[in-house]
Amino acid sequence: ILNVEQSPQSLHVQEGDSTNFTCSFPSSNFYALHWYRWETAKSPEALFVMTLNGDEKKKGRISATLNTKEGYSYLYIKGSQPEDSATYLCAFQGVGSQGNLIFGKGTKLSVKP
Amino acid sequence: KAGVTQTPRYLIKTRGQQVTLSCSPISGHRSVSWYQQTPGQGLQFLFEYFSETQRNKGNFPGRFSGRQFSNSRSEMNVSTLELGDSALYLCASSLGQVATEAFFGQGTRLTVV
Repeated sequence: ILNVEQSPQSLHVQEGDSTNFTCSFPSSNFYALHWYRWETAKSPEALFVMTLNGDEKKKGRISATLNTKEGYSYLYIKGSQPEDSATYLCAFQGVGSQGNLIFGKGTKLSVKP
Repeated sequence: KAGVTQTPRYLIKTRGQQVTLSCSPISGHRSVSWYQQTPGQGLQFLFEYFSETQRNKGNFPGRFSGRQFSNSRSEMNVSTLELGDSALYLCASSLGQVATEAFFGQGTRLTVV
């Protein structure tokens, strides 16, 4: 059974703090690692899809890195804002699993003004 | 362009009944995946359809089934409902290749009483 672990489960930070979360996934049969942001009462929204070992992606104040050999990815948020409050999900996609994402349970981020 | 539409948004059913949920993907997307989220659990993969064929299936009992129509719209059916089927059901559409981002609907909240 493939397992995707995310830590921490939840995080409370002050506006302006920088923060990071971890996603651990199987290092075998790896094809892609996805990050999604899920705000309350909305749909999960894709942040990044990463495939290459050592890959780094950035979107505004949010960035992510990928290590496929050891099976982990970090998501960084620089200068957190209240609108960053959401649950951040990572999902593993294996070889041959086109439509099948294996999700972690997420990290719930709360940013206080 | 229009997003992924799921209907109905909320549903209350009685144990033993059956239910059908609908998902209309983004125009041009041929892949539709279904996920279940129960309290304390991450998104669990149910199945994926691509061009009217089930391409991947998760570890759920046979009471859970689905289909996809020629216009890519998909339905998910759950027969003989159990209390434990109470969950948020999300569908996601994509182009269907590995490492392409998934676009999620807002989900159907099913309550079984």
